[in-house]
Amino acid sequence: GQNIDQPTEMTATEGAIVQINCTYQTSGFNGLFWYQQHAGEAPTFLSYNVLDGLEEKGRFSSFLSRSKGYSYLLLKELQMKDSASYLCAVRVRTGANNLFFGTGTRLTVIP
Amino acid sequence: GAGVSQSPRYKVAKRGQDVALRCDPISGHVSLFWYQQALGQGPEFLTYFQNEAQLDKSGLPSDRFFAERPEGSVSTLKIQRTQQEDSAVYLCASSLENKNTEAFFGQGTRLTVV
Repeated sequence: GQNIDQPTEMTATEGAIVQINCTYQTSGFNGLFWYQQHAGEAPTFLSYNVLDGLEEKGRFSSFLSRSKGYSYLLLKELQMKDSASYLCAVRVRTGANNLFFGTGTRLTVIP
Repeated sequence: GAGVSQSPRYKVAKRGQDVALRCDPISGHVSLFWYQQALGQGPEFLTYFQNEAQLDKSGLPSDRFFAERPEGSVSTLKIQRTQQEDSAVYLCASSLENKNTEAFFGQGTRLTVV
């Protein structure tokens, strides 16, 4: 089966930086996605990495190391509205867009 | 429409009842996916369509689950003889055919089987 691990919960302070890690062991690899999901709402796309390195998009950055099966999502200048679950997902096969998700990391931002 | 639309948002079914969940993908999106999300878990893949063709149904948990997309746009996920373990949020997602494009999710249908 596919194994995607991320911490269950994290807490961070408003204005701070938080890093959410994701490790994966999958039968193949064709890209890693991060999604944000507020309670009761649809997951929304944050970032996509397929090559090693850092992708920066405003306050959010995502890093990938394929050799280590490792990614992280970095959130800077945390805001209260960033309280949500963050889902790490891997596309395993080429030519197929279905994703394998981790359980998600519930981030709570405190004042 | 502007996004992926799912209906109903909430469904309560008695055990043994059949249910049908609808998904309207973003116009022009070739790929459509169904996922099941249990409370506190990440979404789990159920099935995948490319236009009207169901290319992958490896995630459907039993033969009580059936999905269709007859005209390559709207899709319906049907669950027959519902059981309590079917209680979950059912998410639909659509994407362009380009494999590097992210999928856009609907808000889901929360199914509760009592």
